[in-house]
Amino acid sequence: QQPVQSPQAVILREGEDAVINCSSSKALYSVHWYRQKHGEAPVFLMILLKGGEQKGHEKISASFNEKKQQSSLYLTASQLSYSGTYFCGTELIFGNEKLTFGTGTRLTIIP
Amino acid sequence: DAGVTQSPTHLIKTRGQQVTLRCSPKSGHDTVSWYQQALGQGPQFIFQYYEEEERQRGNFPDRFSGHQFPNYSSELNVNALLLGDSALYLCASSRQQISGNTIYFGEGSWLTVV
Repeated sequence: QQPVQSPQAVILREGEDAVINCSSSKALYSVHWYRQKHGEAPVFLMILLKGGEQKGHEKISASFNEKKQQSSLYLTASQLSYSGTYFCGTELIFGNEKLTFGTGTRLTIIP
Repeated sequence: DAGVTQSPTHLIKTRGQQVTLRCSPKSGHDTVSWYQQALGQGPQFIFQYYEEEERQRGNFPDRFSGHQFPNYSSELNVNALLLGDSALYLCASSRQQISGNTIYFGEGSWLTVV
């Protein structure tokens, strides 16, 4: 039931791009993406609703493939501040407001 | 606009004791959820409160209980603490919207059980 994220960890040089995937075995209503730095709370990045809508936020964007129940987070021209662990949280039903989190992807950006 | 606030930030308890954690939701939010995050893991859903009642619950024992007050703030209580209860406890608040239920997290309460 827990969504599966891949890769588990990735190391990038500043300016490189990354893709983080989140797959669920269940039909989803929405996918939520968060970034968490060590010792801090998860910070909301964006929410994707079913319908395949792609969203963007500066150099971070995401898509949701409803047929595959898969979401991908795209980080372009990565900056040092992008380092952290990325989690996807899945919501099964509209109005449920309960997230089931994936295993996390640890992203390290080096100068 | 204050976000989700939690207290205390850190605390140490002895096995068998009881603990109460507190949360004030983001302004305009009426739903409060609690999550437990063990080191190196993703947050795990404990339960959710709406209109002062527990609306849904994750796979946690009855030692975990909660409460929501009329002003939407909430408490998480854990009785008979075990060493395995050591974790970061996160409070999340939200409000149901057609455009998607954005869920915001507080800074968390670090609980260490010794």
